[in-house]
Amino acid sequence: KQEVTQIPAALSVPEGENLVLNCSFTDSAIYNLQWFRQDPGKGLTSLLLIQSSQREQTSGRLNASLDKSSGRSTLYIAASQPGDSATYLCAVFQGAQKLVFGQGTRLTINP
Amino acid sequence: DAMVIQNPRYQVTQFGKPVTLSCSQTLNHNVMYWYQQKSSQAPKLLFHYYDKDFNNEADTPDNFQSRRPNTSFCFLDIRSPGLGDAAMYLCATSRDKWGGYTFGSGTRLTVV
Repeated sequence: KQEVTQIPAALSVPEGENLVLNCSFTDSAIYNLQWFRQDPGKGLTSLLLIQSSQREQTSGRLNASLDKSSGRSTLYIAASQPGDSATYLCAVFQGAQKLVFGQGTRLTINP
Repeated sequence: DAMVIQNPRYQVTQFGKPVTLSCSQTLNHNVMYWYQQKSSQAPKLLFHYYDKDFNNEADTPDNFQSRRPNTSFCFLDIRSPGLGDAAMYLCATSRDKWGGYTFGSGTRLTVV
């Protein structure tokens, strides 16, 4: 059974810092991995989708990497801003319409 | 912009009174999903439609039903809501069976 773990569960950093969020998964047989952002009381916003054949994806200040063989992904956020404060969820897709989520990292950026 | 729209954003219902949540999409995606998310937990898949084919998760209570009358719309029916059904309900779509999900803004359900 696929298990997805995100470390740390919560992170608080001052504005302007670069930071890394970690995601690990136990079964490397995945089709893709997706990073989402969730603001309190809101739905999920897709940030980046990495196909299993890709190593990384970039969007603006965000960069996500995927090492399928070791079961790891990282989300790098450059020059963090208070507006980046949210919960970040990692999810792996294994086919059969199964998207397995991690528990999320709650990120706070302090002005 | 193409998107997934959920209505209402907030729904209050009485214990045991049937309630319907709605989801519409302008993405023309084949697959639509309903997830339940309780406080500080990861979203949990209830069921999905691949086109017109309905797929229920094994642990989804019988109290939860779904309808997809056409490609654009999907409904979640809770026949007799209990206090434990209070949660955020998230609708999502994907183009095909290979993933790449788009989520709606969610409906926060309160049961009183």
